[in-house]
Amino acid sequence: DGGITQSPKYLFRKEGQNVTLSCEQNLNHDAMYWYRQDPGQGLRLIYYSQIVNDFQKGDIAEGYSVSREKKESFPLTVTSAQKNPTAFYLCASSTSTAQETQYFGPGTRLLVL
Amino acid sequence: GESVGLHLPTLSVQEGDNSIINCAYSNSASDYFIWYKQESGKGPQFIIDIRSNMDKRQGQRVTVLLNKTVKHLSLQIAATQPGDSAVYFCAERAGNTPLVFGKGTRLSVIA
Repeated sequence: DGGITQSPKYLFRKEGQNVTLSCEQNLNHDAMYWYRQDPGQGLRLIYYSQIVNDFQKGDIAEGYSVSREKKESFPLTVTSAQKNPTAFYLCASSTSTAQETQYFGPGTRLLVL
Repeated sequence: GESVGLHLPTLSVQEGDNSIINCAYSNSASDYFIWYKQESGKGPQFIIDIRSNMDKRQGQRVTVLLNKTVKHLSLQIAATQPGDSAVYFCAERAGNTPLVFGKGTRLSVIA
């Protein structure tokens, strides 16, 4: 069963706490992406990685960090520096070829206690 | 389920009618375009894509039209069904860069 998995589905963060969202894909895709979605808005790019051990900041990278140690995995850490973390977080992947589709995972909803 | 967009433009159509959802894009260098469907609380689902060397592409019950002159993209859904109710996003891409998403349109199908 191929695809992109994200865990957990819901995540609660206490003030001042770092939390890590998991994203795994078995599609053999080189590129992976993290987006944030707020109500009434489209998807905004946080970070992306086009190859293992390399990643680039997106439009709203402040308060977030990522790593890409394995092709299959691209975890996102929401740090305590992110003052408004409540949102729906979506991970996606694609081949590294231009004009190819990005496929999305089911998302993680992060809530602040 | 939870709402993914509380203040999105909304298109209401009668079941069985055709739906047309429009999208304007800004980057003249964009050469690849996608439409996604997102149901409440779920990740976006690929519907159809089109490359810039095409004006029209058809799928099952869906057609995408691309007008590069005015930087406009549309999604047509034939014989709209209640299961088509969702938020629809267009996205554009220039070369091997990440997709850039529009704000989305909520489609509401009236049975």
